[in-house]
Amino acid sequence: QVQLQESGPGLVKPSQTLSLTCTVSGGSISSGSYYWSWIRQPAGKGLEWIGRIYTSGSTNYNPSLKSRVTISVDTSKNQFSLKLSSVTAADTAVYYCARESIAVAGTFDYWGQGTLVTVSS
Amino acid sequence: QSALTQPASVSGSPGQSITISCTGTSSDVGGYNYVSWYQQHPGKAPKLMIYEVSNRPSGVSNRFSGSKSGNTASLTISGLQAEDEADYYCSSYTSSSTHVVFGGGTKLTVL
Repeated sequence: QVQLQESGPGLVKPSQTLSLTCTVSGGSISSGSYYWSWIRQPAGKGLEWIGRIYTSGSTNYNPSLKSRVTISVDTSKNQFSLKLSSVTAADTAVYYCARESIAVAGTFDYWGQGTLVTVSS
Repeated sequence: QSALTQPASVSGSPGQSITISCTGTSSDVGGYNYVSWYQQHPGKAPKLMIYEVSNRPSGVSNRFSGSKSGNTASLTISGLQAEDEADYYCSSYTSSSTHVVFGGGTKLTVL
């Protein structure tokens, strides 16, 4: 059973960089069958896809966040990470990592439990 | 404003059936059979309930079914149970660089 777990600071100051890591267990992140994505959800609101990475390191980002987002992968640790720079209060949200099947575009079959990140001074 | 349009809320009594709609465009819902539905209970992560318009992952009750007509996808839950009370989100692959778009979510209340 694949499991994903987010980790990182729960509080980030405005203008700083938000950094989160997703640890994958029960399966290899190097599997060529999946992309690994970050998705966020502000309190009481809907879901927003942030971006994704393939085991090769190839990335795709949501154009609305592209200038501030970096997603990287560490296959030796079975982890992938998110960095979001120049954060504001609008970036306060629960951040999820999720697995997307290459064969079924845009479908996320496994999710982490989510981690709340608050942007505040 | 979400890219896909869902009703804010729906309700039904135990045993009844309800349908949640999800309207997009020819660039997403109408153009591809990559529509998914997720169930989210308060404080929990979304759970995949339907993928590729009408397929159920292993373990998901056959009370959940999906369909699509033109630019509108639908999720039907039959034989409503108290445990079905949750938020439901649709999503679709999109030909735009956004890659995937979500609906704004529908709160299902089981009366």
